[in-house]
Amino acid sequence: GAGVSQTPSNKVTEKGKYVELRCDPISGHTALYWYRQSLGQGPEFLIYFQGTGAADDSGLPNDRFFAVRPEGSVSTLKIQRTERGDSAVYLCASSPRGGGYNEQFFGPGTRLTVL
Amino acid sequence: GDSVTQMEGPVTLSEEAFLTINCTYTATGYPSLFWYVQYPGEGLQLLLKATKADDKGSNKGFEATYRKETTSFHLEKGSVQVSDSAVYFCALLSGGGADGLTFGKGTHLIIQP
Repeated sequence: GAGVSQTPSNKVTEKGKYVELRCDPISGHTALYWYRQSLGQGPEFLIYFQGTGAADDSGLPNDRFFAVRPEGSVSTLKIQRTERGDSAVYLCASSPRGGGYNEQFFGPGTRLTVL
Repeated sequence: GDSVTQMEGPVTLSEEAFLTINCTYTATGYPSLFWYVQYPGEGLQLLLKATKADDKGSNKGFEATYRKETTSFHLEKGSVQVSDSAVYFCALLSGGGADGLTFGKGTHLIIQP
């Protein structure tokens, strides 16, 4: 079956612009996660959705970052007034349910470059 | 807060060598522990996991044992292959109620024929 998909695969933007990154989770998975991976680092947790609601957004670095999942499936990560430090690979993962016993399945990521 | 420390890479070995990648952690509560692997050009994949002390996770010839007394989860394989070349990430999910994984920085493994 289809895995987690993310679009675009690459996004180049200019400092100060607005960007949207999309994640399509595995069908039927209720839990969805966003992570950010900077060069040479491991992924860092940003936000977790259970269904339509953000159950944990403690990893969002500041109020320029926002994410939605209006119908409990596709999610969009939105970044306002982008900065060069936002350049990273943004990873999405989904899981059948939340919680530590359930494997998170990762997408290929969106590489964001802010010039 | 939670943290994971793993050995710096790159680690370069010859085919059929024994592999150990060290991982230690700091966490609240009783975390679940994971090893993820990222092959060239692919996304992160779960390699193995252990959810309580003394559990051993295993997959594809890799093993790791959850050692609560040393807060460690070292990854081992008896005989590596060229196809094992990848970046390996140790991660934890805190038992304190956090929902996101905490990852180490990753170890790049290179296996030479």
